Amino acid sequence: DAKTTQPPSMDCAEGRAANLPCNHSTISGNEYVYWYRQIHSQGPQYIIHGLKNNETNEMASLIITEDRKSSTLILPHATLRDTAVYYCIVRAYNDYKLSFGAGTTVTVRA
Amino acid sequence: EPEVTQTPSHQVTQMGQEVILRCVPISNHLYFYWYRQILGQKVEFLVSFYNNEISEKSEIFDDQFSVERPDGSNFTLKIRSTKLEDSAMYFCASSEIRGVNEKLFFGSGTQLSVL
Repeated sequence: DAKTTQPPSMDCAEGRAANLPCNHSTISGNEYVYWYRQIHSQGPQYIIHGLKNNETNEMASLIITEDRKSSTLILPHATLRDTAVYYCIVRAYNDYKLSFGAGTTVTVRA
Repeated sequence: EPEVTQTPSHQVTQMGQEVILRCVPISNHLYFYWYRQILGQKVEFLVSFYNNEISEKSEIFDDQFSVERPDGSNFTLKIRSTKLEDSAMYFCASSEIRGVNEKLFFGSGTQLSVL
């Protein structure tokens, strides 16, 4: 059951910010938003997660709308190495598994 | 930076044979997982493991599959009698904590080809 909706693909120019949208309109109060990415069939890599406040780490920023029905992952200065499939995942804090969707294929172009 | 190590990177086997996929999780991690990804499809959860017990398993993880932590460092996935449809990339993952701040660290995967 898809809990999130993401665009299938997007392009981004190297050095520019990449803004990846995610819709999770049915999110429950105990569910968090997680972002992972998968570079060329390697294992997925954790990026960031949040509940309702905006979050920032060394990799990215996560902006969650006030109603929590959508979020945006921001890669502030995209590089060619950021080309990957990005997954937005909604998960309850006590859920053992990550449910991956199809994600957004992000291509960073020079 | 510590990483999850998986061996072998590629495994070719005949249908009906048993295979064991091996993983060395990050040393201080307590929670272990197997996921798989059939070519061109989504990453799918198989099983989670903690304290020498399965915490949760998916419908995919039927009686043909088993997991084991035989010693303090290895975590294995065994497929008893492989089928063609078991061909996939298998990812091992581990995490230090559970709950809100859990971050899964994935290995590079084992590509299993069943002929």
